[in-house]
Amino acid sequence: ETGVTQSPTHLIKTRGQQVTLRCSSQSGHNTVSWYQQALGQGPQFIFQYYREEENGRGNFPPRFSGLQFPNYSSELNVNALELDDSALYLCASSLWSPSGNTIYFGEGSWLTVV
Amino acid sequence: AQSVTQLDSHVSVSEGTPVLLRCNYSSSYSPSLFWYVQHPNKGLQLLLKYTSAATLVKGINGFEAEFKKSETSFHLTKPSAHMSDAAEYFCVVSDRGKAGTALIFGKGTTLSVSS
Repeated sequence: ETGVTQSPTHLIKTRGQQVTLRCSSQSGHNTVSWYQQALGQGPQFIFQYYREEENGRGNFPPRFSGLQFPNYSSELNVNALELDDSALYLCASSLWSPSGNTIYFGEGSWLTVV
Repeated sequence: AQSVTQLDSHVSVSEGTPVLLRCNYSSSYSPSLFWYVQHPNKGLQLLLKYTSAATLVKGINGFEAEFKKSETSFHLTKPSAHMSDAAEYFCVVSDRGKAGTALIFGKGTTLSVSS
């Protein structure tokens, strides 16, 4: 068990709709990242939040947005869904310190866009 | 920019034989490198990590990896494969220097283990 919980585990949306995926991190973890894993591919970094502010972003358009809350939970929001957004979305949390950190992944949310 | 290349998309071994999964990295500075495993319909599990300490890194379940700067490689090995090792393996490099860590994944190697 990693202590990182994601919901929902599976969902189906229609092209053009909006979706919100949720993640509950370990208590005290100040950093959360989101990754998109398309079928047969490695995960790709979407963005990262540190102490409730976005501090890093991968090559994803602005319709991918997020929030991190003081209670160690976070959200990934995707607007105007496209068929290519169908993927496994992974949340990863860690307690960052200058000496390093260990990252813990949730089991992911499977999103299918039809 | 940081990147990793996993040299084999699929590796097949027999139970009890050695495992070698190959990974080369590209980094403008001394990297932090990881191997993660993903079993079907499961999340990612950290096998081991290299963060500029000992070049031979021991991980869980009998896996180990050796950091070779001269070859820019970080290959994963296990002396004797078990059926439960069948999974997807990812070589990963991190972007250092930022608060938190953005991980850059390779495309993965599927390990099949036959009896």
